[in-house]
Amino acid sequence: DTGVSQNPRHKITKRGQNVTFRCDPISEHNRLYWYRQTLGQGPEFLTYFQNEAQLEKSRLLSDRFSAERPKGSFSTLEIQRTEQGDSAMYLCASSAAGTGGYGYTFGSGTRLTVV
Amino acid sequence: AQSVTQLDSHVSVSEGTPVLLRCNYSSSYSPSLFWYVQHPNKGLQLLLKYTSAATLVKGINGFEAEFKKSETSFHLTKPSAHMSDAAEYFCVVSGSGGGADGLTFGKGTHLIIQP
Repeated sequence: DTGVSQNPRHKITKRGQNVTFRCDPISEHNRLYWYRQTLGQGPEFLTYFQNEAQLEKSRLLSDRFSAERPKGSFSTLEIQRTEQGDSAMYLCASSAAGTGGYGYTFGSGTRLTVV
Repeated sequence: AQSVTQLDSHVSVSEGTPVLLRCNYSSSYSPSLFWYVQHPNKGLQLLLKYTSAATLVKGINGFEAEFKKSETSFHLTKPSAHMSDAAEYFCVVSGSGGGADGLTFGKGTHLIIQP
């Protein structure tokens, strides 16, 4: 297992376009999290899944954002009608239920630039 | 709600001198606290964790942190800085960042190591 994998590493898109990111968690981890990190800030929680169920969404996750984890394995995060304010690093993390906050493994992130 | 405040946005030290990165927390109950490090173009890596077993916590790469309830602090220290320690450091609390075991990050401290 090579850890949490995120693709693409970088994405440049024009304002108004849709983008989709993918996260492949550690295979035995049943929890998957999405965070967003803007320049000069710490990561902020967006949403999380336990298996295929999306159990919580942050108020940061506007209706232009949608996340899925269809088979409880990989996850996708889609942003529709991108805006310049969406420019950020999108981080994925996975953990096993019951490990607490110390069970996280983070991916390297997808850096989105909206021009 | 729980939160963390990192008191310095940037810290600069000379190689071989001690490092001190300051973090205060706010919590209505005994928190789980962490320090993460983020090197450029790499994923977040857990340095150490406090989960009430011991107030002095030792982590990787010679870092340690002391939980002081009376001061609501969880400062990160290292006796002797190395050039490879240059990175962004995040103080993190678990439990209120969304989702089971969700993480709430501080804004980060950028550690600069002078040769």
